[in-house]
Amino acid sequence: QVLLVQSGPELKKPGASVTVSCKASGYTFTRHHMHWVRQAPGQGLEWMGIMNPSDGGTLYAQKFQGRVALTRDTSTGTGYMELYRLRSEDTAIYYCARVNNQAFDIWGQGTMVTVSS
Amino acid sequence: SYELTQPPSVSLSPGQTARITCSGDKLGQRYAAWYQQKPGQAPVLVIHQDTKRPSGIPERFSGSSSGNTATLTISGTQAMDEADYFCQAWDSSSVVFGGGTKLTVL
Repeated sequence: QVLLVQSGPELKKPGASVTVSCKASGYTFTRHHMHWVRQAPGQGLEWMGIMNPSDGGTLYAQKFQGRVALTRDTSTGTGYMELYRLRSEDTAIYYCARVNNQAFDIWGQGTMVTVSS
Repeated sequence: SYELTQPPSVSLSPGQTARITCSGDKLGQRYAAWYQQKPGQAPVLVIHQDTKRPSGIPERFSGSSSGNTATLTISGTQAMDEADYFCQAWDSSSVVFGGGTKLTVL
């Protein structure tokens, strides 16, 4: 069974950083790009960036450039999203998703990140 | 930057056909995908590459695309189809989502 399993909820203070993990199973990790998408409460989906697990190459949405880093550990089949200098507007559910046939066919269960003082 | 526009809401009765549109400049020249999202759940892919249905998605879900508009059609809508629906397309190597459409089955 193809799965993406994400780490648990996070509560952070403004200015801090957060790291969310996404562990892949049931497929060859390096064969599919991994994207990160977030969804603020009651809002739509917002694309953050893409990571190529094969070579670690990344592309970030302009809005997040300089404030996000997507990395991976090929030995465990895990992708990571780190977001820096958090502010209250970053409160959202963060999803990882696998690309197949030019669409996101597998999604993680989501990780709630709350930024509050 | 590239933008996709969806109607905020669509309402219909069970058994009717729902059509949800997604508009963007020359969208017909790009592949569109559609996702269903129910409250408290992650999105689920229902249509990819404009018209293709992933395994496990009911046949009542179909997609089309032409000109500036992609359309998700749900034939014989059921109560279980009530959800938010998002379209998605590629802009070079980055990704764009529509704002989402809330489908209400009355």
